Amino acid sequence: DIQMTQSPSSLSASVGDRVTITCRASQNINNYLNWYQQKPGKAPKLLMYAATSLQGGVPSRFSGSRSGTAFTLTISSLQPEDFATYYCQQTYGTPVTFGPGTKVDIK
Amino acid sequence: QVQLQQSGPGLVKPSETLSLTCTVSGVSMRTYYWDWIRQPPGKGLEWIGSIYYSGTASYDPSLKSRVTISIDKSKNQFSLMLTSVTAADTAMYYCASRWIGGGNQFDFWGQGTLLTVSS
Repeated sequence: DIQMTQSPSSLSASVGDRVTITCRASQNINNYLNWYQQKPGKAPKLLMYAATSLQGGVPSRFSGSRSGTAFTLTISSLQPEDFATYYCQQTYGTPVTFGPGTKVDIK
Repeated sequence: QVQLQQSGPGLVKPSETLSLTCTVSGVSMRTYYWDWIRQPPGKGLEWIGSIYYSGTASYDPSLKSRVTISIDKSKNQFSLMLTSVTAADTAMYYCASRWIGGGNQFDFWGQGTLLTVSS
């Protein structure tokens, strides 16, 4: 299975901060990398797909990038509704696998 | 817009079989893959398996011996069966969809069912 790691596992930030989360794959996955946001008690919500494409209805302050097997989710200006846990997911190999998550909470 | 409504019991005894159903509305079942994903308490997401309209299913190797995913086109439903459950199967279970023309991202999710395995 393709292993996904995320860093940091958690972070504290303030409204208006620029936040960056990194996800690394254990092998090449091309751009088959998605990002999800999950709030407590809710199902995950797709934010980004194919590493850099914004899902419809997701604010443009979210963006994604790739460098080799490392992928980054950036929130340009953190908003109150962005405090949540973020997961990356690879869909290059079967089974699809998720990263362990990054919890973003209020500083 | 795809809507997924989950149903099924929230409590199952050890060694028994879990059965959950996801009812699909708003879209033709032909145009998506249909998946089950679970999340143990306080932990991350685990893919269980998926099925297509044709009935072709695939499963995570670690669960393959205990899992069956089926589809009922007449009812617009797909279902998960997990046999011989243990406490390790206690988790929130989600159904989800992947558009067949996309890159396998899970674009719509059910509301989740918290399954507890306990006697």
